[in-house]
Order: sequence, then structure tokens, then C-alpha cells
Amino acid sequence: AQKITQTQPGMFVQEKEAVTLDCTYDTSDPSYGLFWYKQPSSGEMIFLIYQGSYDQQNATEGRYSLNFQKARKSANLVISASQLGDSAMYFCAMREGTVGGAAGNKLTFGGGTRVLVKP
Amino acid sequence: EPEVTQTPSHQVTQMGQEVILRCVPISNHLYFYWYRQILGQKVEFLVSFYNNEISEKSEIFDDQFSVERPDGSNFTLKIRSTKLEDSAMYFCASTAFSGTGISEQYFGPGTRLTVT
Repeated sequence: AQKITQTQPGMFVQEKEAVTLDCTYDTSDPSYGLFWYKQPSSGEMIFLIYQGSYDQQNATEGRYSLNFQKARKSANLVISASQLGDSAMYFCAMREGTVGGAAGNKLTFGGGTRVLVKP
Repeated sequence: EPEVTQTPSHQVTQMGQEVILRCVPISNHLYFYWYRQILGQKVEFLVSFYNNEISEKSEIFDDQFSVERPDGSNFTLKIRSTKLEDSAMYFCASTAFSGTGISEQYFGPGTRLTVT
């Protein structure tokens, strides 16, 4: 079974509008972390936001926020006020285990969502 | 701001040749990783390295692959005899140890390996 599922292969969004990128995950570990990365056409992986499984509040970083619904095992990324520079691939990733040495565990990535921002 | 660096940015090699991809992780980080991304596909984990030894490896990381930290700064991935299917972007990443487990993995810019 896929550990990270991103069901939207691609989407268009109008500049200045908000967009929600879906991510669902599957784990039996009670302790895990969820990450979102942005990959522009140049290829690098840029960290955007992190949500821990025990965090009480949804994570926010500037225009990025994470809609974390633990019972539904979803961690959707919301980008507010889209800009042309937001056009990129977006990957959701999970690290199982967060305590102690598990902080070094590998990331498992979803298939990504390509976002194109229209002017 | 500290960053992970990788060299070369692009490597072209012939099938059967050995390649070494180089990475300089962020200096105070303790965990190091290699991932790869075949064109148009998801990012896949290859190997993680901690305390001078492999801590985990995927099924992709077979005997053709090896990693090394030859000195205090470099972290290398060697592919002994490249195959066409090794063509991909290879990312190095590193993370600091955090007792709260929050540390994100910082990725390098990647090395695009083309095997002909």
C-alpha cells in the first residue's frame, strides 16, 4: 500500500487565489512527521512546512498552511494568495517516528502535484 | 544560510562505468541521505548514514551502490557499474539531530546523472 498519496497530478490556479493540495498518508506508527517540499523547474527540493503527529495546532509558514486532519490521515497544503513563482511540483512526504534517533529516519514521498499559476 | 552542496550538477557517463557523486552536507548535521528521482517520478530513498555507517538502505541500494564519508565534510555515493536505468537526479540531504524530532531534511540541488 502507498504510504503517501497525492491524488491531484496537476492543477491550475489563478494568481492571487488560494489553492489546496491534497495529501493522505498511511502509517501505524503513532509518532510521525509530515513535510511538504516544493520543486521548481530548476529541480531543487525546497522545504516548505512541517507537521508533527502530536502537534495540537496546524502548522503555518507565511503563505503556507497545513490542514492536518489526523483522524482522516490527511495533511493538505494550502497556499494562499498564489504567485507566479509558486508554479512548481509539490511533494508531500512522511517520516515515521519522531522521537530520539527516529529523527533521522528516511522520508517517504508521494507522487507530487504540479501547480501552474495563471496570471 | 548554510546549505547542502553537490557536485557535479550534471554527469554523463557510459553504461558500465563507475561514477562518484559528491555532497557536502551542512556542517553540524549528523544524518546524511541519498535519494533519487527518475525523470517525472517520485523521489525515492536510497540510503541513510549516521555515525559513519549505513543506518538504513532501500532495495534499490544493491551491491552496485556504496556510500562513504571520506573526511569530515564530504559524503559520496558511488555506483560501480552504471546501467541505463540509473539515469536520474540524485539528491543528497542532511538533517541535524533534534530531541523533538522536528528537524527537516535539507536537500542539495541534485546531480543529474545520464547513462548512455
